[in-house]
Amino acid sequence: GQNIDQPTEMTATEGAIVQINCTYQTSGFNGLFWYQQHAGEAPTFLSYNVLDGLEEKGRFSSFLSRSKGYSYLLLKELQMKDSASYLCAGHVRGSARQLTFGSGTQLTVLP
Amino acid sequence: GAVVSQHPSRVICKSGTSVKIECRSLDFQATTMFWYRQFPKQSLMLMATSNEGSKATYEQGVEKDKFLINHASLTLSTLTVTSAHPEDSSFYICSARPPIQGANTGELFFGEGSRLTVL
Repeated sequence: GQNIDQPTEMTATEGAIVQINCTYQTSGFNGLFWYQQHAGEAPTFLSYNVLDGLEEKGRFSSFLSRSKGYSYLLLKELQMKDSASYLCAGHVRGSARQLTFGSGTQLTVLP
Repeated sequence: GAVVSQHPSRVICKSGTSVKIECRSLDFQATTMFWYRQFPKQSLMLMATSNEGSKATYEQGVEKDKFLINHASLTLSTLTVTSAHPEDSSFYICSARPPIQGANTGELFFGEGSRLTVL
């Protein structure tokens, strides 16, 4: 199958930096998305990487290495509102529109 | 960004009844929409791909006769949970991707989700 793996839970302190890793099978996907999902709400788009390298967007950055099947989401200057589940999602190769989601990483930001 | 609207946001029904959930793309036409299901503390699992004007494509293990999908227009897809049982209680989320143009990365936009509770 086309597995996407990410840690189940992470905890960090307000103001700190946290990196959430995601690994996937390299033969399966064309690009990696990151979504944020607060409890009881729908996911919201954070970033999309299709080429290798780092994409920076304010406090959030996302990195992709296609050869290693590896991506990470970097959150800087953590705020309490960043406590949420972060979903790594692969754009399925050969499919124009389908995404396959990882299990999500539940981030808890402590004061 | 693009807007996808889902209704109702919450529904409680008795076991054995049917429930319809609507998903609308408000500012773009979507020939394809996706229906996901999410159980507590789990990720989104794709149930089916809804195709305008043709039959939906269901993922393995999803009963097409139980989860009826109709994509009657370019802006509306409906999911009907027939003869609902308590194990069908879940968070159902629809999504769609507008055509890729300019800076649009082609990301999926999600509806607000519908929380179904079957008593």
